[in-house]
Amino acid sequence: AQSVTQPDIHITVSEGASLELRCNYSYGATPYLFWYVQSPGQGLQLLLKYFSGDTLVQGIKGFEAEFKRSQSSFNLRKPSVHWSDAAEYFCAVGAPLSNQFYFGTGTSLTVIP
Amino acid sequence: SQTIHQWPATLVQPVGSPLSLECTVEGTSNPNLYWYRQAAGRGLQLLFYSVGIGQISSEVPQNLSASRPQDRQFILSSKKLLLSDSGFYLCAWSLSGLAGTRTGELFFGEGSRLTVL
Repeated sequence: AQSVTQPDIHITVSEGASLELRCNYSYGATPYLFWYVQSPGQGLQLLLKYFSGDTLVQGIKGFEAEFKRSQSSFNLRKPSVHWSDAAEYFCAVGAPLSNQFYFGTGTSLTVIP
Repeated sequence: SQTIHQWPATLVQPVGSPLSLECTVEGTSNPNLYWYRQAAGRGLQLLFYSVGIGQISSEVPQNLSASRPQDRQFILSSKKLLLSDSGFYLCAWSLSGLAGTRTGELFFGEGSRLTVL
C-alpha cells in the first residue's frame, strides 16, 4: 500500500541555521512527489514538486528537495531558516494517472531567535 | 489565474444540526475537486473527490456527503452533525487528465474550521 512517512513530528531550529525535513514514501513505481507548507489556520501552499528529470528540485521561499530513488526519500532542505518559515510542512505522494494523493502526518517547525 | 474560494471560514454548530460548506474554483474548466479533513497530528484525510458534475467518489464511509451541482462548485454536507465531525476542512482542485485522472499538483483553499458542540 502507498504511504508517506514524516518521522519528525516537531523540529526546532535557530534562525539562520540550516534545515532538513525528512520524508520517506512507499510506492510501487516512481510517484509524483510534493512538499506543502501550512501556516496556522490556513490552507496548504505548494513549495515544490518532482515529476521526473533532475532529482534536485528548487522551490519557492529558498527551499529545495532531493529525490533519492534508492532510499525512497524526498527530503526538504533550506540553507538558512527565517523566522517566517515557522509552519507545518507536509510531504505528499501523488500516484500518476490517479486521483489518489497521499499525505504524511506533517512536521511542525519552530524557529527560535 | 486560477483561484479557489471556500466558505464559511469558521463555523460552530450544535450536534444534530445540518452542515453545508461550499467551494468554488475560478479561472479553469472541468477541474478535479477534492474535500479533505485535517485532524490534529493526523495529516490530511481524503473524504471525497469529483471528476465532473454529479460524479462523486467517496473515500471514507462517514456522516458526510458531497455534491457537485456545477462544474466549478463543490459542496460538503451533513444532515446531522456528530461531535466527531469537528475539524478543519480543506477543498482542493487539480487539473484533469485522461479519463478524469489528476494531473499535477493540488491547489488548496483556505479551509473551514468546524466545531461541533
